[in-house]
Amino acid sequence: KAGVTQTPRYLIKTRGQQVTLSCSPISGHRSVSWYQQTPGQGLQFLFEYFSETQRNKGNFPGRFSGRQFSNSRSEMNVSTLELGDSALYLCASSDNRGNYGYTFGSGTRLTVV
Amino acid sequence: AQSVTQLGSHVSVSEGALVLLRCNYSSSVPPYLFWYVQYPNQGLQLLLKYTSAATLVKGINGFEAEFKKSETSFHLTKPSAHMSDAAEYFCAVSGRSGSQGNLIFGKGTKLSVKP
Repeated sequence: KAGVTQTPRYLIKTRGQQVTLSCSPISGHRSVSWYQQTPGQGLQFLFEYFSETQRNKGNFPGRFSGRQFSNSRSEMNVSTLELGDSALYLCASSDNRGNYGYTFGSGTRLTVV
Repeated sequence: AQSVTQLGSHVSVSEGALVLLRCNYSSSVPPYLFWYVQYPNQGLQLLLKYTSAATLVKGINGFEAEFKKSETSFHLTKPSAHMSDAAEYFCAVSGRSGSQGNLIFGKGTKLSVKP
C-alpha cells in the first residue's frame, strides 16, 4: 500500500509570493489533515478535510487555506508569504477521521527568503 | 480543551538502558492517545495508540505505553535502548467527540542513545 505522498519535498519562495502544496493520501483514506512544524511552535494543526469538506480549522490566519478533491487528494495554499511561514508542512491521512491514528507523509520543507 | 505536556525536551540514555519518555495529557472528553517518532528530515511515524481497548499498549520497535487515567499519563517505555532509537518522540491526544478529529501534540522529546 502506497503511503502518504507530499509534493514537492523542498520549496524556496520569496516573501509576498504564494505557494501550493499537494498531498495524496493513502488509497481509501477520506480524512486529510495538515500540520505546520517549526522549531519554536512545534507541531500545530492547520485544518482537516473529510469528504471534500473542511471539518476543523486551527488558529492560523486566512492566508492559509486548503481544499480536498473528490479523489481525497488535498492541497494547501499560503498567500502573501512571510518569513515566519518557513516550516515543515506535514500532511496526514486517516480512514476514520484520525481517531485511530493518522499516517503522515514526509512533509514539504518550505523556506521563505 | 485538550493539551499534552512532555516532560524533558532532551533525554539521554546508554545503549541497553531503559527508555522512559513522559507524557501527561489534559482532556475534557475520553481521549485517544498516540506516540509518534520523527527521524531527521522525515515525517512522523506512528509508534502506538491508545483507543480504550487495553491500558497497556504495545507498539512497534519494542516500545510500549501505559494509559493511567488517575495520573492522566501515557508514558512511553522500552526495556533496552538501541542506537537506532535516537530520534524525536511526540505524544499526541485526540478527542472522541465528533468535532475533534485533529491531533494536539506535545513539544517533543529528543532521545539520544550513547554507545
